[in-house]
Amino acid sequence: GAVVSQHPSWVICKSGTSVKIECRSLDFQATTMFWYRQFPKQSLMLMATSNEGSKATYEQGVEKDKFLINHASLTLSTLTVTSAHPEDSSFYICSAYRLSSYEQYFGPGTRLTVT
Amino acid sequence: GNSVTQMEGPVTLSEEAFLTINCTYTATGYPSLFWYVQYPGEGLQLLLKATKADDKGSNKGFEATYRKETTSFHLEKGSVQVSDSAVYFCALSDQTNFGNEKLTFGTGTRLTIIP
Repeated sequence: GAVVSQHPSWVICKSGTSVKIECRSLDFQATTMFWYRQFPKQSLMLMATSNEGSKATYEQGVEKDKFLINHASLTLSTLTVTSAHPEDSSFYICSAYRLSSYEQYFGPGTRLTVT
Repeated sequence: GNSVTQMEGPVTLSEEAFLTINCTYTATGYPSLFWYVQYPGEGLQLLLKATKADDKGSNKGFEATYRKETTSFHLEKGSVQVSDSAVYFCALSDQTNFGNEKLTFGTGTRLTIIP
């Protein structure tokens, strides 16, 4: 089956610093990847849609200057949380869309803790 | 906008018990409906889906029927196993953009099966 990886699986950073999260589709090419955020005991909230070679499309209420998304290749998208604050602490999940099966494949998630 | 309301957990059942996890939705148009499962330490995996009214999705003994009249997509399994312990998410997709389908998730239901 299709595999999507995320790195790192967890990260702790200090307030004011930036952190980058990678999302890779390991065995298929994905022109579209999605980034979600999940709060404890809550559903996944779509943050943005990442298209290879073009700017990401952000959902309403998501700060594009804080959450920088780069989809530089057909197998890699990155999410950079800039000037992180404790309220950015969350579980971030990516998915990659495989056109041949019309299905999204999810990464295992990255837990970010900002101290 | 679209929304998914899912039965709150956690749910604890004995092995071989009958399982129902309720899911209702609100959407404009004709969404596709999904159940995803997340095993500990892993990414979300598609369990089953249905793309139009009265369709039944099934996989691994789980079933769900797309009921347009009641806007529901309840997940059922006749005899659960310990290995079914996981978090289950109901979701719908906005089919306005083919190949770029946004998913709206419910809050997830944690299921624990005891031997």
